[in-house]
Amino acid sequence: QVTLKESGPALVKPTQTLTLTCTFSGFSLSTNGIRVSWIRQPPGKALEWLARIDWDDDKFYNTSLKTRLTISKDTSKNQVVLTMTNMDPVDTATYYCARMPPWHDAFDIWGQGTMVTVSS
Amino acid sequence: DIQMTQSPSSLSASIGDRVTITCRASQTISGYVNWYQQKPGQVPSLLIYSASFLHSGVPSRFSGSGSGTDFTLTISSLQPEDVATYYCQQSYSVPYTFGQGTTLEIK
Repeated sequence: QVTLKESGPALVKPTQTLTLTCTFSGFSLSTNGIRVSWIRQPPGKALEWLARIDWDDDKFYNTSLKTRLTISKDTSKNQVVLTMTNMDPVDTATYYCARMPPWHDAFDIWGQGTMVTVSS
Repeated sequence: DIQMTQSPSSLSASIGDRVTITCRASQTISGYVNWYQQKPGQVPSLLIYSASFLHSGVPSRFSGSGSGTDFTLTISSLQPEDVATYYCQQSYSVPYTFGQGTTLEIK
């Protein structure tokens, strides 16, 4: 069974750096074609893709956020980590990680999401 | 970045109705469109990938079509459990982008 679970702080202060961890099971990020993305959703708003890391360590970022984002993986721990610097109240959102399998280019399995509030 | 525009933004229909949601890409994206359903308070789930392929476990009343810039999600006979917000997403190129969502309610 494939599962993903996000973890991280529920509350961060403005200007701080957010670090989120996606811990997954049921697949390996060393498998050819596997990709993991981070996606967020502000309350009552649409989904926004943030970043993707691939089995071969290729990395891709949201155009407007790329100066603030870093994605990395620890294959041995089955984890993907996203850091976002200089957090602002507009970054308040539920943050999801999701898998893209080798056989198509859609997010087939999502984590439950973790709500992050940015407030002083 | 490729912009995805959904219409309508919201929709009210009766049980048993045929419902259609459209998504337009700002440039041609072949068949690289996916559709997700997000029920109230829940995590998004994949319905359709690559424009027309039904994801495993998704009821057959859902279908997708289109290529190039114009895509459609159709529910052939609306059921109460289909109340949700639906999102299209392009996977033609990174950065991936989503539509703004279509909220579907029962009339």
